[in-house]
Amino acid sequence: NSKVIQTPRYLVKGQGQKAKMRCIPEKGHPVVFWYQQNKNNEFKFLINFQNQEVLQQIDMTEKRFSAECPSNSPCSLEIQSSEAGDSALYLCASSLSGGHAEQFFGPGTRLTVL
Amino acid sequence: QQKVQQSPESLIVPEGGMASLNCTSSDRNVDYFWWYRQHSGKSPKMLMSIFSNGEKEEGRFTVHLNKASLHTSLHIRDSQPSDSALYLCAASANYGNEKITFGAGTKLTIKP
Repeated sequence: NSKVIQTPRYLVKGQGQKAKMRCIPEKGHPVVFWYQQNKNNEFKFLINFQNQEVLQQIDMTEKRFSAECPSNSPCSLEIQSSEAGDSALYLCASSLSGGHAEQFFGPGTRLTVL
Repeated sequence: QQKVQQSPESLIVPEGGMASLNCTSSDRNVDYFWWYRQHSGKSPKMLMSIFSNGEKEEGRFTVHLNKASLHTSLHIRDSQPSDSALYLCAASANYGNEKITFGAGTKLTIKP
């Protein structure tokens, strides 16, 4: 069973508010991914890290989204100014070595922006 | 931007029947495919992966890969109601950025 921990499980914010969610990867997994899964189950890659370094992030992430994975602290994903379209399930996954290794997913944070 | 196309979008199969799901990548650099299963309200879990041409079998699940056409398929025989889930195909290429791209999934329903 996956040991990726995500908090909180549910998050409700008003438009324009900040929304912050956290992820603790499986012990020993240096690579962390953030995905957004919308109500149509479509998966969108947001950003990934290897240790504390950003490997790749999409344009959307570069504008209103910020993420970090500090050493000895949980990884975090923050939306600076939430929009209704940000309502989705945010999934964190970790893996041993990235693209060619199995990803283990956390339970997700379901964000609702009113 | 690589796209991973899955078909069909949804599939209903009678209990005990065979379910066949398809997946194709548009990126000629893709060299690894994954199948993940996501039960309703749960997070995705890896089912099988494949990187060599041919077939790989694990119990009731068989995965095929044709690298020339960048097409993979997942076949579930003797389908059970517990197989009802969203099946996500993912593909990765060796770009060094560790990214994998997921398709939109096939929603499989097994009818008792």
